[in-house]
Order: sequence, then structure tokens, then C-alpha cells
Amino acid sequence: ELKVEQNPLFLSMQEGKNYTIYCNYSTTSDRLYWYRQDPGKSLESLFVLLSNGAVKQEGRLMASLDTKARLSTLHITAAVHDLSATYFCAVLTNDYKLSFGAGTTVTVRA
Amino acid sequence: GAVVSQHPSRVICKSGTSVKIECRSLDFQATTMFWYRQFPKQSLMLMATSNEGSKATYEQGVEKDKFLINHASLTLSTLTVTSAHPEDSSFYICSASWQGSTDTQYFGPGTRLTVL
Repeated sequence: ELKVEQNPLFLSMQEGKNYTIYCNYSTTSDRLYWYRQDPGKSLESLFVLLSNGAVKQEGRLMASLDTKARLSTLHITAAVHDLSATYFCAVLTNDYKLSFGAGTTVTVRA
Repeated sequence: GAVVSQHPSRVICKSGTSVKIECRSLDFQATTMFWYRQFPKQSLMLMATSNEGSKATYEQGVEKDKFLINHASLTLSTLTVTSAHPEDSSFYICSASWQGSTDTQYFGPGTRLTVL
């Protein structure tokens, strides 16, 4: 059974500083996804990472994938209040299902 | 493109009644649809996978007689919560993928179900 672990589960960020969320998974997968969820809303797709060494960036967010270590990171640069949300990583299983991590709730304070 | 809608967005019902939630792909043909349940401050848990014209495949621990899923067309799947109880109160999210891009799921906006 594929297991996906995220840490930390809660992250209090100070505006302007950098932080990293980690996502470990237990078995080989071809795809890793990052999503954002605002309170009461559904998922917003942020990144899909397809191969070892893949790095994608959008604004203050950058995601990377190390398939050998089965680790993905979501790096936040110079946090701003608008980034407050819950971030999920998810891994695609062999039968095209998504297995989600527990989520990281991010709060950005002034 | 690739928009998925859900209806209703919120529903409140009495214990013992049944509730139907619709999931529609608006601009593509969804060969596969997925139904997730999310309890407050928890992650998404896959309930079932449905392919158009086939019976849904339920994840372990999900009661198929309680959560009836129908995927009668390439643009519509429905989830019916039968004899709802307060513990069924949750946020239900559907997603859809199409044959040419089975590794990408497009998520609906979710349905908040409250059972009194």
C-alpha cells in the first residue's frame, strides 16, 4: 500500500522568510502532485512533477522531486499572507488513483 | 478548459433521508470519475472510482450500498448517500479524468453535506 507522509503538518510562517514542506512516499510512482486548498474550497492544482530531478516554479513556490529518495519538497520563498492555505502532496498509484498526504496547514503572520 | 462542476454546493438534510450529489465534466468527456470524502481538517480519502457504463469500484471500508455511485454518461456521475446519518456529514469532492490524460484529475468545487 502506497503511503504518503507530509511534514510538518502545521507551519507558522513569518512574512518574508523561507520555508520548506516535505513529502515522502513509500513506493515508486511516476507522478507527484502538489495542491492548494483554501478553507471551504476544493483543490487547486499547483504542480505536477514527472521525473527525477524535476523542478517547477510559480511565483514564490517551487517544487522539486527526487524519485530515488522518494521525496518531494515545496519551497516557499519570502512568505506572504496570501500563501496561507493547506497544501497537499499526492502520488499517482499504478491504477491511476491519487494517494494524498495529510496536508500542511500554513499560516503566514506579519 | 477541463472544468468540473458539482451540484449542490451545500446541502442540509435530515437523518434517514437520501441525498444525491452530481458531478459534471463541462468541456470534456470524463472516462473516469473519482469520489473523495474529506472530514474537517483531514486529508482527502478516495471513496470510489467509476468508469462510464461500468459499476463503481469502492475502496476498502466504503459501504457500496450506502454510497451509490452512477456514471451513466461521459459527463455525469452521481453519488447518492442513502439513509444519511450525522456521521456522513462531510465535504464530498469529485474529480474526473479523460482517456487521453489518465494521470491528470480535474477536481470539482466540492459539496458540503450536513446531516441533522
